[in-house]
Amino acid sequence: GAVVSQHPSWVICKSGTSVKIECRSLDFQATTMFWYRQFPKQSLMLMATSNEGSKATYEQGVEKDKFLINHASLTLSTLTVTSAHPEDSSFYICSARDGGPGNTIYFGEGSWLTVV
Amino acid sequence: RKEVEQDPGPFNVPEGATVAFNCTYSNSASQSFFWYRQDCRKEPKLLMSVYSSGNEDGRFTAQLNRASQYISLLIRDSKLSDSATYLCVVNKNGNKLVFGAGTILRVKS
Repeated sequence: GAVVSQHPSWVICKSGTSVKIECRSLDFQATTMFWYRQFPKQSLMLMATSNEGSKATYEQGVEKDKFLINHASLTLSTLTVTSAHPEDSSFYICSARDGGPGNTIYFGEGSWLTVV
Repeated sequence: RKEVEQDPGPFNVPEGATVAFNCTYSNSASQSFFWYRQDCRKEPKLLMSVYSSGNEDGRFTAQLNRASQYISLLIRDSKLSDSATYLCVVNKNGNKLVFGAGTILRVKS
């Protein structure tokens, strides 16, 4: 089963509203989680690195005031898309690193956001 | 230039065929390399890591050429269930993964 869970899987919202996506590590503690966005037929693009207990590190070109990231615990990071617009419609996916011996990165199932 | 480049395909092959994908990366300081598989509208799943000495996992063989900054994936005896998008992924620093746009494989009966 999934070791990283994302919720919701699908969300449709009206333009101008905000949407929160949750990413949870189920079987391990993740001091670092990553948020990606994938537009159709394009590669996953890293948006930001979410660090537990501190501010997220955003990639160049990603608006930190629009994409709010909170990593309040070792098992939960949230991404809030504020004042969403149709161009924000995309597949948002998180990943988390298991700091155990395998040091494996696991992906959440992803969240499809449609802004109408 | 993209950091990780792949031929988008699609590669249309019959069942049982052998197919190879290639990938190049631009950052010579890249530390680790992976092939992920992504099914339509799903999250990527790790297929295999890629080691300098080359490695094999069943029908899948991965090769890395650091001098040429080139990675390959060979799939033997293709199955219908191998149909997916194959993502070449490079770990630039720490745990930041950089994804290629993917190569589409369609295996047909």
